[in-house]
Amino acid sequence: QVQLQQWGAGLLKPSETLSLTCAVYGGSFSGYYWNWIRQPPGKGLEWIGKINHSGSASYNPSLKSRVTVSVDTSKNQFSLKLSSVTAADTAVYYCARSKWSQGSYYYYYYMDVWGKGATVTVSS
Amino acid sequence: DIQMTQSPSTLSASVGDRVTITCRASQSISSWLAWYQQKPGKAPKLLIYDASSLESGVPSRFSGSGSGTEFTLTISSLQPDDFATYYCQQYNNYPYTFGQGTKLEIK
Repeated sequence: QVQLQQWGAGLLKPSETLSLTCAVYGGSFSGYYWNWIRQPPGKGLEWIGKINHSGSASYNPSLKSRVTVSVDTSKNQFSLKLSSVTAADTAVYYCARSKWSQGSYYYYYYMDVWGKGATVTVSS
Repeated sequence: DIQMTQSPSTLSASVGDRVTITCRASQSISSWLAWYQQKPGKAPKLLIYDASSLESGVPSRFSGSGSGTEFTLTISSLQPDDFATYYCQQYNNYPYTFGQGTKLEIK
């Protein structure tokens, strides 16, 4: 049974760079996409971006200028960096695996396994 | 971005009730919709994908339907463990977007 374990700095000051890592245990790393999603306190979910084992990534345009998602296949890990954070970036950050469904021309990816979440607080 | 709108935002129901949550997309997303359940302090859990496919291990009292712009999640007979917040999410277009959530409360 695949499990995702995530970690990173929990308290940041404004303008610093958020850095989180998610490790994949008990399952294949290649053949899937790997996502980051966040949830501000008391609010809904926001998709940040995803990456596959070969480094092909997609990002939410609302964050794209500040986000980098990277992958380390030797460790079955992927990472999130978010630069120039502000209080608005305070949230629980989740990593998640994407499985695919095949459409007529494309594959479509939904998130089936999630990490437990990491709380990140931005405060001066 | 595709806007996902859920209704109602809050739903009060009793154990044994049949409940339905609606999710509307601002444009057609075919059947590329997932439903998640989230409990306080926990990660979301996948219930339904491709609008109507039940994720392995999820009780059969959960079902999903719809295509295009209108979708529903139905719980046929509420159990105590089902009181939680439910989110729909489209994966037809980037960026993936979620509904605002429906909180299912005990009446």
